[in-house]
Amino acid sequence: GAVVSQHPSRVICKSGTSVKIECRSLDFQATTMFWYRQFPKQSLMLMATSNEGSKATYEQGVEKDKFLINHASLTLSTLTVTSAHPEDSSFYICSAKTDRIGSAQYFGPGTRLTVT
Amino acid sequence: GENVEQHPSTLSVQEGDSAVIKCTYSDSASNYFPWYKQELGKRPQLIIDIRSNVGEKKDQRIAVTLNKTAKHFSLHITETQPEDSAVYFCAVDTGTASKLTFGTGTRLQVTL
Repeated sequence: GAVVSQHPSRVICKSGTSVKIECRSLDFQATTMFWYRQFPKQSLMLMATSNEGSKATYEQGVEKDKFLINHASLTLSTLTVTSAHPEDSSFYICSAKTDRIGSAQYFGPGTRLTVT
Repeated sequence: GENVEQHPSTLSVQEGDSAVIKCTYSDSASNYFPWYKQELGKRPQLIIDIRSNVGEKKDQRIAVTLNKTAKHFSLHITETQPEDSAVYFCAVDTGTASKLTFGTGTRLQVTL
């Protein structure tokens, strides 16, 4: 149980284009999903918290107009990187959890984004 | 906000020895403490977690201890094996925003 998928696993795009990443909870309903960014040899940095049917809550310093998050259902959240630049190249990982306080977060396999 | 410190940043042990990784946190309201293992290029995998009403939890070779008064918790791996080599992250959940704050990670290498 508690399987989270993420698509695509790798994407290369040109500077100025937009990229959409999907995160799905396959065998449970995720009331909350999270989006993280991880640079090489660094920790996971939370970008935003996404609750089904409401606007995402962004962490300080994360541009909400650049990183668009949609959580349309209890099993799907999407992250769209708009007008991507080379500095946006990173490993993006989503996680999902149920609404129990203190319940575990389960991570997707991640998406490696390279902007050329 | 929550501040989580993790030590050491790298740890090398011989196969069969024990490994201990420690984390401290700042928010006394924190109530959930998971540990994740991440292999290169892969997702973080939950390996063990502990809640604030428990002082210790064990699962085969892995154990976690929590000292709420001192605000620190530790991961203990006994009888280490080469496949334990990975980066380990501690995390803290205060429960209010239901989000995790991660430590900086520990790169564990188990040598033969």
